[in-house]
Amino acid sequence: EAGVVQSPRYKIIEKKQPVAFWCNPISGHNTLYWYLQNLGQGPELLIRYENEEAVDDSQLPKDRFSAERLKGVDSTLKIQPAELGDSAVYLCASSGDGYNEQFFGPGTRLTVL
Amino acid sequence: LAKTTQPISMDSYEGQEVNITCSHNNIATNDYITWYQQFPSQGPRFIIQGYKTKVTNEVASLFIPADRKSSTLSLPRVSLSDTAVYYCLGYNQGGKLIFGQGTELSVKP
Repeated sequence: EAGVVQSPRYKIIEKKQPVAFWCNPISGHNTLYWYLQNLGQGPELLIRYENEEAVDDSQLPKDRFSAERLKGVDSTLKIQPAELGDSAVYLCASSGDGYNEQFFGPGTRLTVL
Repeated sequence: LAKTTQPISMDSYEGQEVNITCSHNNIATNDYITWYQQFPSQGPRFIIQGYKTKVTNEVASLFIPADRKSSTLSLPRVSLSDTAVYYCLGYNQGGKLIFGQGTELSVKP
């Protein structure tokens, strides 16, 4: 069974440029999460989707970050414009119902120059 | 969700049993204790989850005392491949995981 797929794995951009990350969750998982992980720290939740609805986006910096999950399957996280401080790993995860564990993708490592 | 506290790093040798203790003094009644493992350049991976007493699976054991203010992850006979960061989290039905800094376990030959 395929796990959570993310692309690209690595991205290097200049500051003020836009960037987008894509995530395809495990088939049948209705809940999708985007996390940000800085070096040496644990992941921090940015946004959580239940199907196509964003049910928790309280930690998403909405001035420059946006996300969508059209049709309740795959999702895209966008940053526009990127800042130096956005350099981090962006992780996507998905889970089934209830207390099920979250399955994480490998992440996208973003470097902003 | 409860704030968790765990050692920043631990060292061990191959074949030893490793116990990582996590403090969660303010854990809520409906929080489960969950542990994740993360290797470099990978996303975290679920290890084990429990509510109280002892839970065991093919990878680890989790001990949670009656007051639930702490928990201990036990890894039997670690190998070099168990070198990773281990996160202790409180988890409830809201689905929100709050990761701390984790414990960086280094297993030496």
